[in-house]
Amino acid sequence: EAQVTQNPRYLITVTGKKLTVTCSQNMNHEYMSWYRQDPGLGLRQIYYSMNVEVTDKGDVPEGYKVSRKEKRNFPLILESPSPNQTSLYFCASSLVGDRGYGYTFGSGTRLTVV
Amino acid sequence: SQQGEEDPQALSIQEGENATMNCSYKTSINNLQWYRQNSGRGLVHLILIRSNEREKHSGRLRVTLDTSKKSSSLLITASRAADTASYFCASGPPGYSTLTFGKGTMLLVSP
Repeated sequence: EAQVTQNPRYLITVTGKKLTVTCSQNMNHEYMSWYRQDPGLGLRQIYYSMNVEVTDKGDVPEGYKVSRKEKRNFPLILESPSPNQTSLYFCASSLVGDRGYGYTFGSGTRLTVV
Repeated sequence: SQQGEEDPQALSIQEGENATMNCSYKTSINNLQWYRQNSGRGLVHLILIRSNEREKHSGRLRVTLDTSKKSSSLLITASRAADTASYFCASGPPGYSTLTFGKGTMLLVSP
């Protein structure tokens, strides 16, 4: 089944403890992206990647890191999480092309930082 | 940056009625897409309309695009309780794959 897999689904952590949220897709998509969703603010893009070793900042990159060493994986790293990073996180992937393609989203990771 | 804005923020209808949601965007686009999100779950791609298209259908969904007004609408005909969800429009500038999402319309369809 074509899908984007995020792990973990739920995570509660303490301020300052480094964590990684994994994202993997099995559709050979070039493009991958991370979003966070907060009430009243909608989805905001954190980072995106057009292909292996190519990453770029979205609208809210502060406090996050990403890497794209393999085409299928795009982990999101929080080096020193803070309570304002409590949110619902989504990974998405798509093909790349001038005509545009729809995104496939993961099921989400609900992160709570205390 | 907020590219798309949906209207209304919330919509409540009865089963069998039609639901219309609107989206406005700010800059030129390559295409405009609509997504559905059931509570707390991942977004699901519904339909994509390209900038040179004016109308597109998929099952009970009808999407229109007016590039002169920088607006789009999503019509769901004969709504069902299972259509209860949040609906988002998303668009991106020409030459880019990245999408910017609006804040969504919450649709409640009552039996």
